[in-house]
Amino acid sequence: GQNIDQPTEMTATEGAIVQINCTYQTSGFNGLFWYQQHAGEAPTFLSYNVLDGLEEKGRFSSFLSRSKGYSYLLLKELQMKDSASYLCAVKGGSYIPTFGRGTSLIVHP
Amino acid sequence: EAGVAQSPRYKIIEKRQSVAFWCNPISGHATLYWYQQILGQGPKLLIQFQNNGVVDDSQLPKDRFSAERLKGVDSTLKIQPAKLEDSAVYLCASSPRQGGDTQYFGPGTRLTVL
Repeated sequence: GQNIDQPTEMTATEGAIVQINCTYQTSGFNGLFWYQQHAGEAPTFLSYNVLDGLEEKGRFSSFLSRSKGYSYLLLKELQMKDSASYLCAVKGGSYIPTFGRGTSLIVHP
Repeated sequence: EAGVAQSPRYKIIEKRQSVAFWCNPISGHATLYWYQQILGQGPKLLIQFQNNGVVDDSQLPKDRFSAERLKGVDSTLKIQPAKLEDSAVYLCASSPRQGGDTQYFGPGTRLTVL
């Protein structure tokens, strides 16, 4: 089976930097995704990593280490609107996606 | 480009009743997913279609849940009979192919079972 682990909740200050970690154990690997989900809304795509290293996209960056089964999402220059749940999802060898429980990020002034 | 459409957006039923949800994926997307998301948890995959064939339904409670994707486009998810623990948001998503593609989610159907 597949196991995805990420912190339940994090808090940070507006303007700061926050790193949300995700560790995973899967049978095979075909990519790791990060999604943002505001309360009451559907998840929206943030990033996709399939090779080791850092992918940068504006204020958001995502890192992957396949050998360690580890990823993180880095959010810079935090804004109040970044308060949301951040979901880590992994596609294993069968391309079946598995989502973590999500990390609820609270950004305060 | 139109996104993934779902209906209804909200549904309230009593336990033991039946309910059906509808999903229209993004045009041309071969892969369609149904997820169940219970409050405070991540989405749980119920069933994945590739065109009109089932790729995975290992987490679908087949004694009460069923899904179909006729002609490889629209899909319906049915619960019969519903239980209290089925209260959740049911999300439909689609992607162009089965591989590493991004999934695009619909707005979801919030089901409340009383």
